Amino acid sequence: EVQLVESGGGLVQPGGSLRLSCAASGFTFSRNWMTWVRQAPGKGLEWVANIKQDGSEKYYVDSVRGRFTISRDNAENSLYLQMNSLRAEDTAVYYCASGCWWGQGTLVTVSS
Amino acid sequence: DTQMTQSPSTLSASVGDRVTITCRASQSISSWLAWYQQKPGKAPKLLIYQASNLESGVPSRFSGSGSGTEFTLTISSLQPDDFATYYCQHYNGYFGPGTQVDIK
Repeated sequence: EVQLVESGGGLVQPGGSLRLSCAASGFTFSRNWMTWVRQAPGKGLEWVANIKQDGSEKYYVDSVRGRFTISRDNAENSLYLQMNSLRAEDTAVYYCASGCWWGQGTLVTVSS
Repeated sequence: DTQMTQSPSTLSASVGDRVTITCRASQSISSWLAWYQQKPGKAPKLLIYQASNLESGVPSRFSGSGSGTEFTLTISSLQPDDFATYYCQHYNGYFGPGTQVDIK
């Protein structure tokens, strides 16, 4: 059974940092592009970042470029999102995904 | 970057209705498009990939068509389980704003 399990969300002050993790199992992680998608409360889905199978290509939505970093560890079947300089508008549920496979999401709240 | 739009933003329909949702890309994306269904508090569910391919396990009342810049998702006979929000997504990542399908 395929599982994507996100962790690392929580409450953080504006300007702070968080690192999200996504543990993958049940499929060959190293063969898949991986994606972070977020959804602010009551809003639509927003793609955040993609990373190629070997980590050699990374892409970001403009609003997070320079603040967020996507990375992966294929030996550990794990995906990460390092989020720095967080803003109130980064408040959202963050999903780890690859095609038809999605995690349950982890909530990030940026507030003082 | 290719931007995605959807219409309508909301749609009221009855069980048994045929429903069509349109997604447009700001430039040609060939058939690199997926459709997702999302219910409140849940992760999105993939329905259609590469514009017209039905994901395994998805009911055949769902279908997708189009290529280039205009795409459609059709539900041939709306069922109670289909009331949800639908999103298109270009393979580069960008989603459309969503179409909420609710009960008339």
